Amino acid sequence: NAGVMQNPRHLVRRRGQEARLRCSPMKGHSHVYWYRQLPEEGLKFMVYLQKENIIDESGMPKERFSAEFPKEGPSILRIQQVVRGDSAAYFCASSPPMRRGHEQFFGPGTRLTVL
Amino acid sequence: AQKITQTQPGMFVQEKEAVTLDCTYDTSDPSYGLFWYKQPSSGEMIFLIYQGSYDQQNATEGRYSLNFQKARKSANLVISASQLGDSAMYFCAMREGPGEYGNKLVFGAGTILRVKS
Repeated sequence: NAGVMQNPRHLVRRRGQEARLRCSPMKGHSHVYWYRQLPEEGLKFMVYLQKENIIDESGMPKERFSAEFPKEGPSILRIQQVVRGDSAAYFCASSPPMRRGHEQFFGPGTRLTVL
Repeated sequence: AQKITQTQPGMFVQEKEAVTLDCTYDTSDPSYGLFWYKQPSSGEMIFLIYQGSYDQQNATEGRYSLNFQKARKSANLVISASQLGDSAMYFCAMREGPGEYGNKLVFGAGTILRVKS
């Protein structure tokens, strides 16, 4: 049973380019969460999605950032017109549906560097 | 106000000794969950232990135990018999709400643990 998969593991972009980060949840998991970790800081929640629905996007910056979790395929976090401040590690986590409590399973993260 | 506070930026412990990493939390929700994650230098997030707000007993997982003091709103992680491989960043996190419908985690700033040989 493969864990949460994220790709790419490392991504380098120049200012103004677009970054697309992909997350494939664990098999059977229908809840996906994205978190951002700035250098020397803890993880900060960005968005929570279920298949084809955004449930909570209270942590998403208002501009340039978007997320989706289509019926088929991975969840995508998209950052348009990247700036140096977007450099961070982006983690995806998944959890099974309707399961009380318990951990979210994290992927290995995508480290985005904006030049 | 900070929802999760980890007051120890860094800790040292001698190999084979026990160490306690502090975590206090703030919530008005009667139903919540508390988690500890380990992040080694390689960067991945490794789940260690979970405590539900209604759990009667402190959680334990191998060498990890959670000292849950509900009235004081603290959820300290105790690592017994420290090993060199325990050197990492440790994050305390909280989920507010019962979790049936999925809830975001709020993380503390982390504590760096260094195990000395």
